[in-house]
Amino acid sequence: EPEVTQTPSHQVTQMGQEVILRCVPISNHLYFYWYRQILGQKVEFLVSFYNNEISEKSEIFDDQFSVERPDGSNFTLKIRSTKLEDSAMYFCASSEGHYNEQFFGPGTRLTVL
Amino acid sequence: DQQVKQNSPSLSVQEGRISILNCDYTNSMFDYFLWYKKYPAEGPTFLISISSIKDKNEDGRFTVFLNKSAKHLSLHIVPSQPGDSAVYFCAASAGEAGGTSYGKLTFGQGTILTVHP
Repeated sequence: EPEVTQTPSHQVTQMGQEVILRCVPISNHLYFYWYRQILGQKVEFLVSFYNNEISEKSEIFDDQFSVERPDGSNFTLKIRSTKLEDSAMYFCASSEGHYNEQFFGPGTRLTVL
Repeated sequence: DQQVKQNSPSLSVQEGRISILNCDYTNSMFDYFLWYKKYPAEGPTFLISISSIKDKNEDGRFTVFLNKSAKHLSLHIVPSQPGDSAVYFCAASAGEAGGTSYGKLTFGQGTILTVHP
C-alpha cells in the first residue's frame, strides 16, 4: 500500500542552525501539507502546497519557514534559523484533492538545543 | 484555538464492547470531518470521514455520526479490540464552504482509548 515517507526520523540541531525535513508524498497525490505537534499539544497545521505554490499557511509559518518541491517526488520543509520552540514532531501529509482524506507520514522529531 | 474539542482525554472499555469517542466543533464553516488513529512514534492514520451532507458513515467496525445542529460528531467502534488502543483525533476542514481552505485540517486534542482484554 502506498505511504508517505519522511526523513530523518530524528533531527537534533543547535539553535540558530538551518534544518531541512524531507518527505516523499504518495505518488499520485496533488496536495501536500506540513503539520507539527509540540509535545503534549494538538497537531497544528503549518502549510499546504499545490501546483508548486503555497495554497495556505498558518500564522506559525513565518519567514523562517519555507517549503519546496525540488523534483517530482520530494517535498521539503526548511527552517532557516531554528529556535528552541521549534522542537516538535513534524508530519508531512498528502491527498489526492483538497477535499479528500490526508495520509500522514511517520514524522520527524526535531530537537533544538 | 479551540475550534475542535475532544473533551474526554481518555476512555477505557472492555474488549467486545462499544467505544464511543466524541468531538465538538464551533466553526460553522467546517463541512468535512475525519477521524485519525495514532500510535506512539507514528503518524496519524486515517480511519473514516464524513461530509456535512451526511449524518452517518460506516466502514466495518467504525461508524461516524454527525449532528450538525449540535456541532457534534462521534466515532463508534463495535466491537472494540485490544489493537484499537491508541490516541484518536477528530479533525475538521472547511473544504468546500467559501472555497478558501485548501484542505487545512484543524485537530482536536485527542482521546486515549484503552481496550482491555
